[in-house]
Amino acid sequence: AQKITQTQPGMFVQEKEAVTLDCTYDTSDPSYGLFWYKQPSSGEMIFLIYQGSYDQQNATEGRYSLNFQKARKSANLVISASQLGDSAMYFCAMREGYGQNFVFGPGTRLSVLP
Amino acid sequence: DTAVSQTPKYLVTQMGNDKSIKCEQNLGHDTMYWYKQDSKKFLKIMFSYNNKELIINETVPNRFSPKSPDKAHLNLHINSLELGDSAVYFCASSPGESYNEQFFGPGTRLTVL
Repeated sequence: AQKITQTQPGMFVQEKEAVTLDCTYDTSDPSYGLFWYKQPSSGEMIFLIYQGSYDQQNATEGRYSLNFQKARKSANLVISASQLGDSAMYFCAMREGYGQNFVFGPGTRLSVLP
Repeated sequence: DTAVSQTPKYLVTQMGNDKSIKCEQNLGHDTMYWYKQDSKKFLKIMFSYNNKELIINETVPNRFSPKSPDKAHLNLHINSLELGDSAVYFCASSPGESYNEQFFGPGTRLTVL
């Protein structure tokens, strides 16, 4: 079964607008971590933001914030004030408990329009 | 200064050949990984090593063999390359503690002709 679901294969957003990229996850472990990574066309994987399952507040890192809804098992990435350089693939990932296994979602390709 | 490095960046080879990809991290991390990213961008873990010991070995053909000579290195050797092995291979490392992100290398694009 898919542990990480990203239902939007592609998204478009106008420059300077905000955009939400969806991520839902499936785990029975009460301890887990959720991550978002960006992969621009150059190919490298860039860590963006992390949310722990016990964190009370939603994570924020600059223009990135994570809308964590634990009961719904969702961890959506919100990018505010989109820039052309935000055009990339975005991957949601989960790490369960104390294991070293990261599971990645299929990714969402974001295109920012001028 | 590079945190996680991989060599080579590009590898083009004929079917049936044997090739290796090297990975090194200078972050002092305990855990290293190999991922395969296919043409549809799907990332799948192949192997994970913690302090030179194999801890994750997903279902990959036994033509793929990881080797960890020390904590800072995790190499990937592939025997009898097939067309379907063409992909981007990423090495990554993490501290090994809970809830820490992985640091990825730049990737190695393998093309099998």
